[in-house]
Amino acid sequence: QKEVEQNSGPLSVPEGAIASLNCTYSDRGSQSFFWYRQYSGKSPELIMFIYSNGDKEDGRFTAQLNKASQYVSLLIRDSQPSDSATYLCAVFTSGTYKYIFGTGTRLKVLA
Amino acid sequence: DAGITQSPRHKVTETGTPVTLRCHQTENHRYMYWYRQDPGHGLRLIHYSYGVKDTDKGEVSDGYSVSRSKTEDFLLTLESATSSQTSVYFCAISESAGTGGTDTQYFGPGTRLTVL
Repeated sequence: QKEVEQNSGPLSVPEGAIASLNCTYSDRGSQSFFWYRQYSGKSPELIMFIYSNGDKEDGRFTAQLNKASQYVSLLIRDSQPSDSATYLCAVFTSGTYKYIFGTGTRLKVLA
Repeated sequence: DAGITQSPRHKVTETGTPVTLRCHQTENHRYMYWYRQDPGHGLRLIHYSYGVKDTDKGEVSDGYSVSRSKTEDFLLTLESATSSQTSVYFCAISESAGTGGTDTQYFGPGTRLTVL
């Protein structure tokens, strides 16, 4: 079992729709959770981080964390073609220096 | 954007030659990381540093060494490059290894390395 799992996609959504990206992790001791966006040929850029159970909103993005079920998700509202990219989920356990990345979900927003 | 640069940005080399990649930061962050990214594998940690002269291995460290003589510079050396080391290499930095946002990693622009 991979430590951080994501569906590779592609996930295709029409412009203006909500895109829902999911990530599961295996280490129950994980404390910090990150979503990065990566355009083709570019480096990962941080979208959001979340530490506590529940929802965290930032503009069109909402991160959701459920530690009991060991999953974290990212919702993108009013999806735009410019949101088309690969989204990486990363999980970190404090004090271990160990960030584990999923392989990413490719999102395609259709105009 | 975090002040992170990588050099060179592209490199083509031959099997058996040594290669050094440089990561330079202007954020004065304590932690620095080297990753490689390959299709189907995602980002994998090669080595990391938690201070000047303090480094440790990641999950794919064989064939790589690192050095950090100054806070701002973290060097990755491929001692004798092989074709399996053809990849995109990313440097990342973080302020701490705690929680609360300071453990967030920020990435450099990457180096595309081809070993023939």
